[in-house]
Parts: sequence; structure tokens; C-alpha cells
Amino acid sequence: DTGVSQDPRHKITKRGQNVTFRCDPISEHNRLYWYRQTLGQGPEFLTYFQNEAQLEKSRLLSDRFSAERPKGSFSTLEIQRTEQGDSAMYLCASSPSRGQLNEKLFFGSGTQLSVL
Amino acid sequence: GQQVMQIPQYQHVQEGEDFTTYCNSSTTLSNIQWYKQRPGGHPVFLIQLVKSGEVKKQKRLTFQFGEAKKNSSLHITATQTTDVGTYFCAENTGNQFYFGTGTSLTVIP
Repeated sequence: DTGVSQDPRHKITKRGQNVTFRCDPISEHNRLYWYRQTLGQGPEFLTYFQNEAQLEKSRLLSDRFSAERPKGSFSTLEIQRTEQGDSAMYLCASSPSRGQLNEKLFFGSGTQLSVL
Repeated sequence: GQQVMQIPQYQHVQEGEDFTTYCNSSTTLSNIQWYKQRPGGHPVFLIQLVKSGEVKKQKRLTFQFGEAKKNSSLHITATQTTDVGTYFCAENTGNQFYFGTGTSLTVIP
């Protein structure tokens, strides 16, 4: 399977714990995006990378969230001191190139986070 | 970020009926993309429209971009149960993809 893969598929954690998610994009894709989606809403942008460089981070994103893409391949998203409001589906997506307007996103299956 | 609104939020149709979802923006859009998300699944790209007034078809699906490039529509003719899911429009600005709020379609057999 050469699609975008995310791990784990599901994560249940207690409030205050730290969690880390992993995303492996399609191998030749330079751009990697993280989105958050809650029930009945569209994907909400969190951050994106061009290769290993984190180019933009949502201003709405708490400092408890951090993302890395150290070698320009896989990425990790960490949430520290989780809160119940962090419960959501965390989607990773990748795109092939360098910000061209004809690009499309390829999504992974997501990590469903439940904070108890 | 930019807000792209979609209406309706939910739509229930009998199988065989038509369905339309509308995407509206207060600002001119560079382009419009449409994605489909099946229940329990992830968004999957359907199509992109770029030109003012552009119309594209994919079998029973017809996509339209408004003349002013501020709105778009997706029309499904004679819905089938396989059409169930949430349909999102999105704008690709070159750096960002801004998603609409989505329309959830239920098809009643």
C-alpha cells in the first residue's frame, strides 16, 4: 500500500497524559499536512511541512501541540497534557509538490483520539 | 483562516432522487476542490475546478464553479446508496487548503 498511513488508528488516553501520533506520507510527496476533524465539521488546519521545514502553524493551535518532520519523510504530532477538548480525529495528508494550485491532498485514515 | 460555508449541513434523500450541495465564499476563490468522506473514512479527492463558470461531470456527478468564483455546487443525479457520505468543498491557495463545513448525505433505500 503506497498511500498515507497513520498510526495508531485509535488512541484512548486520560486527561493530562501526553500522546504522539505518526504519519507516513506517500514517499515522493514533499508536503505534509496535519488536520483535526470533529463530528459534523470539516477538516481544520493545524500545521504543514515542506520537506522537513514547518512552514505554517494555525494561530488557534495551543502550545501543547507540536509537530516534527525531522528527515522530511514521516511526521509526528504530539499533544502534551491532553484535555477533553482535544478529542477528535487527527488527519494527516500529503501532496506531491511545491504549493501549486493544481495539487490535491491525499489523506490518511486518521487517528481517533479520545481523552477521558 | 478563510471560511467556506456549505449548505445544507445535512440532506436525506430517497434513493433515485437528486441531491445538490452548495459552497459559498465571501471572497473570490482561486479554485475549488471537492472531496468525499465516507462514514468512518477519510476525505478523498473528487475534482478541481479553476475557471469561472466551469462545469465538469463525473458520471452522475456534476460540478459547477460560479461565474464570480465565489460559489460552487455539486449535483448528484439519481442518488444511489453508494453516494452516502459527507461532501466537502475546499480551496487550494497554494500554501493552504481551506475546507468547507461539509454536507452529509444520507440515501434511504
